[in-house]
Amino acid sequence: DTAVSQTPKYLVTQMGNDKSIKCEQNLGHDTMYWYKQDSKKFLKIMFSYNNKELIINETVPNRFSPKSPDKAHLNLHINSLELGDSAVYFCASSRMVDSPLHFGNGTRLTVT
Amino acid sequence: GNSVTQMEGPVTLSEEAFLTINCTYTATGYPSLFWYVQYPGEGLQLLLKATKADDKGSNKGFEATYRKETTSFHLEKGSVQVSDSAVYFCASGSARQLTFGSGTQLTVLP
Repeated sequence: DTAVSQTPKYLVTQMGNDKSIKCEQNLGHDTMYWYKQDSKKFLKIMFSYNNKELIINETVPNRFSPKSPDKAHLNLHINSLELGDSAVYFCASSRMVDSPLHFGNGTRLTVT
Repeated sequence: GNSVTQMEGPVTLSEEAFLTINCTYTATGYPSLFWYVQYPGEGLQLLLKATKADDKGSNKGFEATYRKETTSFHLEKGSVQVSDSAVYFCASGSARQLTFGSGTQLTVLP
């Protein structure tokens, strides 16, 4: 009955590869997010989707492309992976503005 | 733009000690303020929140008061437990544009 689930939990890959991280929420929330947490635990928003529409797109390389097939899913595809992409990526969702965020358990991406 | 500054860690306390983690914010208007907690290997969980000045958020013995005059939202707990060991994040804004502080690692020793 996990509320926000993301897969895989760990992802180790080589530079130049393309990879995807999947996220699903069963809370019926309208808005979903991707956050990046660096090695110093600093969290930065990357994207936000509301009802499958992109509403926040921070300064993120266009190698990162979010895709929302429906409002319960927000996947993150990364092309041409670089060493600096190594981080923990968190998916989150919220019911509406000012509602608390519900986070997934994170995907630790390691690029070698 | 908005920013959140919180006390740098790590913080190490003995069980039953008093905890304070400082947090100050800069923002236009009056944002909602939050504390999130991240246990090892898990995502962030909302600990408490306050949506307007002088509101006090509380949960699991933790408290924080929204102070507009000092633009602060310090987290306190009177008696910490080993199970409180985690990383604590202060945040301001709305869910669609939340700005996080850099996190404070708390370790509580038995």
